Amino acid sequence: GDSVTQMEGPVTLSEEAFLTINCTYTATGYPSLFWYVQYPGEGLQLLLKATKADDKGSNKGFEATYRKETTSFHLEKGSVQVSDSAVYFCALISFGNEKLTFGTGTRLTIIP
Amino acid sequence: EAGVAQSPRYKIIEKRQSVAFWCNPISGHATLYWYQQILGQGPKLLIQFQNNGVVDDSQLPKDRFSAERLKGVDSTLKIQPAKLEDSAVYLCASSETGGAAFFGQGTRLTVV
Repeated sequence: GDSVTQMEGPVTLSEEAFLTINCTYTATGYPSLFWYVQYPGEGLQLLLKATKADDKGSNKGFEATYRKETTSFHLEKGSVQVSDSAVYFCALISFGNEKLTFGTGTRLTIIP
Repeated sequence: EAGVAQSPRYKIIEKRQSVAFWCNPISGHATLYWYQQILGQGPKLLIQFQNNGVVDDSQLPKDRFSAERLKGVDSTLKIQPAKLEDSAVYLCASSETGGAAFFGQGTRLTVV
């Protein structure tokens, strides 16, 4: 079945540091890939998405590139801010079964 | 565009009582999901509807949980009787078929 593996957290960085959160996947078919963010006390928000190989999703300074050869969709940001502190979830939908599968989430804390 | 609406936002009940959650998806979205998110964990899919048909309910504890989506629009998730381990946030999401899912704010259930 489909699965998503994220880097273990929690991750703590200083403000303006470079961020990478690793995500790899296993899927039957050709999935669409997503990053969701959950701020404290709030629901999940779609951060960015990519629907085919080599697509780059981007939003709010975050980027992720769909790498079919390595089955990865790593999240990056060049300079993080305190307001980026949240839990980040990698997810996929496989073409055909339309099931949205999540990783376990990575908690990110940014220190001023 | 209105988002996914859920109610109530918070609910506290005693074990063995029953509870119901309501979700109104984004207009025109055929797919509706219910997720359970236990504190510190990723969302776990309980049930997925395509219009008013069930696509996946393999992780729904059917002895106590039930869900319906009459007329392919609003949905209700019910728990009867509740157990302590049902304490969680219940998230509703909707999407166009195969597209990104958009989440409501969730209902935080506490079973005491």
